[in-house]
Amino acid sequence: QQPVQSPQAVILREGEDAVINCSSSKALYSVHWYRQKHGEAPVFLMILLKGGEQKGHEKISASFNEKKQQSSLYLTASQLSYSGTYFCGTDASSNTGNQFYFGTGTSLTVIP
Amino acid sequence: NAGVTQTPKFQVLKTGQSMTLQCAQDMNHEYMSWYRQDPGMGLRLIHYSVGAGITDQGEVPNGYNVSRSTTEDFPLRLLSAAPSQTSVYFCASRVQGGLSNSYGYTFGSGTRLTVV
Repeated sequence: QQPVQSPQAVILREGEDAVINCSSSKALYSVHWYRQKHGEAPVFLMILLKGGEQKGHEKISASFNEKKQQSSLYLTASQLSYSGTYFCGTDASSNTGNQFYFGTGTSLTVIP
Repeated sequence: NAGVTQTPKFQVLKTGQSMTLQCAQDMNHEYMSWYRQDPGMGLRLIHYSVGAGITDQGEVPNGYNVSRSTTEDFPLRLLSAAPSQTSVYFCASRVQGGLSNSYGYTFGSGTRLTVV
């Protein structure tokens, strides 16, 4: 039930773009994205609801394809501060969140 | 507004000892949960609660107990610590109902537990 993220790790130079994918085997109500810096707690970035909505957060945006049960996180013109581990969280329940699972994470390193 | 507060931040236990990890939130969130984070395995749900007096098991509940007597507090008890429970533990909370369409989880700062 844990969503699968790809790639597992990526190294970028400042200014480059990256895409992180999240795929679930279950029909989804929503998808969350979080970023975790080393030694810190995960921090919520955005939530996407079923309906194919795309959201943006500065230069970080995401899309959700409910038919394919997939979400993608787009990081454009990456900055050093983008480094960290990115987790998707998928909610397969209708309103209680009891079927919420985090992916295994994607380590993103931005180098000068 | 402190958010989610976890104590302690670090703990070393001997095998067989018991302890309680504390979690408190001041955001009036109905939903609270405990996760453990191990290298390469992401965040796995241990137990969760949708309100005071209501708790349920997650993916990896064995060896842990929880209770929810108030909206604010959600302690996690390790009954008899084992080396396999060495991990980083995070408490997280979230609004329920319609507002959950807009808000994600707020995490505590974590407890790094080592069982020797």
